[in-house]
Amino acid sequence: KAGVTQTPRYLIKTRGQQVTLSCSPISGHRSVSWYQQTPGQGLQFLFEYFSETQRNKGNFPGRFSGRQFSNSRSEMNVSTLELGDSALYLCASSPPTSGRAETQYFGPGTRLLVL
Amino acid sequence: AQSVTQLDSHVSVSEGTPVLLRCNYSSSYSPSLFWYVQHPNKGLQLLLKYTSAATLVKGINGFEAEFKKSETSFHLTKPSAHMSDAAEYFCVVSDENTGGFKTIFGAGTRLFVKA
Repeated sequence: KAGVTQTPRYLIKTRGQQVTLSCSPISGHRSVSWYQQTPGQGLQFLFEYFSETQRNKGNFPGRFSGRQFSNSRSEMNVSTLELGDSALYLCASSPPTSGRAETQYFGPGTRLLVL
Repeated sequence: AQSVTQLDSHVSVSEGTPVLLRCNYSSSYSPSLFWYVQHPNKGLQLLLKYTSAATLVKGINGFEAEFKKSETSFHLTKPSAHMSDAAEYFCVVSDENTGGFKTIFGAGTRLFVKA
């Protein structure tokens, strides 16, 4: 099976712009989660989607949003970019759960640099 | 509320000596616990997971972890370090929340292995 893919891999934007990142989960996985990784804050949970619905959300401002499509592909959007949004954005997908949290399979990430 | 504390930000060992990476967690429910590893410029990979079965969990590459509910700990160990083990290790707790799972990553422990 192909792994989780994320596009683009690298991105440079300027303050005030918006950006959309894409994630394709492993085939058959319906849960997609997004994380932000920075040297100062580590790995922080952004949100989780399942069957096109946001199930959980981390403590990020409303500038961060996401969505999931019927084929389980997901996008996240950051509007009005700030310098502090520079980070590695990771997407992870999980197989259907048996009632316990399942393993998350991570993509390689999108490295965003805001100038 | 969930939390994860990795007690050491850096651990340095000599090749061939034991590895101990410490993790304490806080959870309101019966959590699932994971250890992930991130090698430089590579994606996150699952080492092992605990989901309420055996308290001693064996993972890949000779790593194992023991779930101790009374101590709220999930320390990662390996009997003999290898140079290829040098990486950053994350302890993760995941709890069911609003129909999905909310996942919290620890701050990470960077493992250095000396020849």
